[in-house]
Amino acid sequence: QKEVEQNSGPLSVPEGAIASLNCTYSDRVSQSFFWYRQYSGKSPELIMSIYSNGDKEDGRFTAQLNKASQYVSLLIRDSQPSDSATYLCAVKQGGSYIPTFGRGTSLIVHP
Amino acid sequence: GAGVSQSPSNKVTEKGKDVELRCDPISGHTALYWYRQSLGQGLEFLIYFQGNSAPDKSGLPSDRFSAERTGGSVSTLTIQRTQQEDSAVYLCASGAREDQPQHFGDGTRLSIL
Repeated sequence: QKEVEQNSGPLSVPEGAIASLNCTYSDRVSQSFFWYRQYSGKSPELIMSIYSNGDKEDGRFTAQLNKASQYVSLLIRDSQPSDSATYLCAVKQGGSYIPTFGRGTSLIVHP
Repeated sequence: GAGVSQSPSNKVTEKGKDVELRCDPISGHTALYWYRQSLGQGLEFLIYFQGNSAPDKSGLPSDRFSAERTGGSVSTLTIQRTQQEDSAVYLCASGAREDQPQHFGDGTRLSIL
């Protein structure tokens, strides 16, 4: 059974710090990886997609993928209180339309 | 609009009644998904439609749940004889190519009294 694991948190960081969110997955043939942000009472919002090993940067966000070690991470630089949310990792196996979601990590950025 | 549209945004009904939830995906997206999210919980996959292919119903929790997608576009999720444990937010998402991410609607918050 395909699994995606995330630490539920909460992860608490001070404003301005780097928040590091991690996700591990069990299916070695996974090829597409996504990070979503979900504010309380709202629906998930796509932040980043990553498909190849290495880093991908978009503004304050960096996604890191290591397929050999089967983990994907999300770094948030200069964290702001508005970044406080639950971050969901999603993984798609190649050829599959149905992603497997982790249960999410709660991030709290305190002033 | 350009995003996934769901209606109603909120639905309150009595136990035992049937409900219909609607999803209008992003234009051109062939994949459509329904999820359920109970308070404080993760996403629970319900059903997936891809073009004109037979849907993947593997996540439907009971035979009270059904869904259809007409003309490869709009989808309706129907819950018959609702129970209190059906109370949750029902999320619809659509996607384009198989390697592309899903985009979620705002959800329907369903409350069963």
